[in-house]
Amino acid sequence: AQKVTQAQTEISVVEKEDVTLDCVYETRDTTYYLFWYKQPPSGELVFLIRRNSFDEQNEISGRYSWNFQKSTSSFNFTITASQVVDSAVYFCALSAPPSGSARQLTFGSGTQLTVLP
Amino acid sequence: EPEVTQTPSHQVTQMGQEVILRCVPISNHLYFYWYRQILGQKVEFLVSFYNNEISEKSEIFDDQFSVERPDGSNFTLKIRSTKLEDSAMYFCASRFAQLCFFGQGTRLTVV
Repeated sequence: AQKVTQAQTEISVVEKEDVTLDCVYETRDTTYYLFWYKQPPSGELVFLIRRNSFDEQNEISGRYSWNFQKSTSSFNFTITASQVVDSAVYFCALSAPPSGSARQLTFGSGTQLTVLP
Repeated sequence: EPEVTQTPSHQVTQMGQEVILRCVPISNHLYFYWYRQILGQKVEFLVSFYNNEISEKSEIFDDQFSVERPDGSNFTLKIRSTKLEDSAMYFCASRFAQLCFFGQGTRLTVV
């Protein structure tokens, strides 16, 4: 069975601070994918990044960066110089081959990030 | 840019009524999904659909739920007799390779 844990329920920062959202996952599969989604107050799920289990290189996209460490089963997300528009719920998710090939996502419980002006 | 489209965006229904939530997945995608998010909670998998049949379903997806793809473009989720605890945001998603795209969701309120 797969499991994703986001231990931080809520985080508040002041604009321009850096913030890191933690994600720890569990799976027995050797091939899997990790994702981050953003859910703004409007409710939709916005795809941010996908990472496969064979690629441990960290990734940077603008103010966003991701740190994937297989040794600790973590896939943490850092926002540099946070902005008010970053305020949202952020979900980490895992997709691993089940018995079929449906590869549905297992989500963490989410971290509510509030960026104060 | 292609997107997953869900209708309606918000539906209010009385307990015991049937509801049908509609989705138009991205056209060249092969796998389709329904997820549910009870207010303030995490997103939970309900069912996946491939080649015109259910490929996986969770324990949430009981006999009250059904899915179908009636015309090759729409993908529907039916709840036969709604309960108060069915109130949630329902997300449709479609997948190509390892990228899963979500619709904007339908907020179902059962009163």
